Amino acid sequence: KNQVEQSPQSLIILEGKNCTLQCNYTVSPFSNLRWYKQDTGRGPVSLTIMTFSENTKSNGRYTATLDADTKQSSLHITASQLSDSASYICVVSPEGRNNNDMRFGAGTRLTVKP
Amino acid sequence: SQTIHQWPATLVQPVGSPLSLECTVEGTSNPNLYWYRQAAGRGLQLLFYSVGIGQISSEVPQNLSASRPQDRQFILSSKKLLLSDSGFYLCAWSASLYGYTFGSGTRLTVV
Repeated sequence: KNQVEQSPQSLIILEGKNCTLQCNYTVSPFSNLRWYKQDTGRGPVSLTIMTFSENTKSNGRYTATLDADTKQSSLHITASQLSDSASYICVVSPEGRNNNDMRFGAGTRLTVKP
Repeated sequence: SQTIHQWPATLVQPVGSPLSLECTVEGTSNPNLYWYRQAAGRGLQLLFYSVGIGQISSEVPQNLSASRPQDRQFILSSKKLLLSDSGFYLCAWSASLYGYTFGSGTRLTVV
């Protein structure tokens, strides 16, 4: 069973609307949680990274939250733009391990329509 | 600043042919280097990682191999491609537990 589950698998919203993507994980203890944006046919690009002690991290219109008690994270996108259409991937790193042990979610495919 | 280059962007190869994908990093020294494969609707799967020249760790038994002939060069190879080797391959590098950067990816189609 994947240790990082993302929902929904896909999402379609209208331009200008807000949306929230979810990430539930079972990795414990964990060191940090990252959100990546991946455009079709491109490599993932880092949006946010949070350690276990951080609750929220913003990057422009992207805001990530983390609840280490419930092992949940969310990525909130405000005032969506057509360029936000992409896959968003949640990645959790176990505590004390190297980057080679990161656990990847399958991603949420977001489509923003005009 | 650090940059990562991965090529080619797309590749169509016949079954049984060899493969060589190259990844290079600029602006840093002694990075950790990684090869991932991404299947549609699935999370990234770590194939190989390297912590130094000539040091390769394989995560998944497969038809592929990796080499690191230079500090900032990472190569993914196969002697004979299989249809199941088709996929999206990503190179990545890191120099710390928090910094992790992906290349632009290679779409490999084996026909």
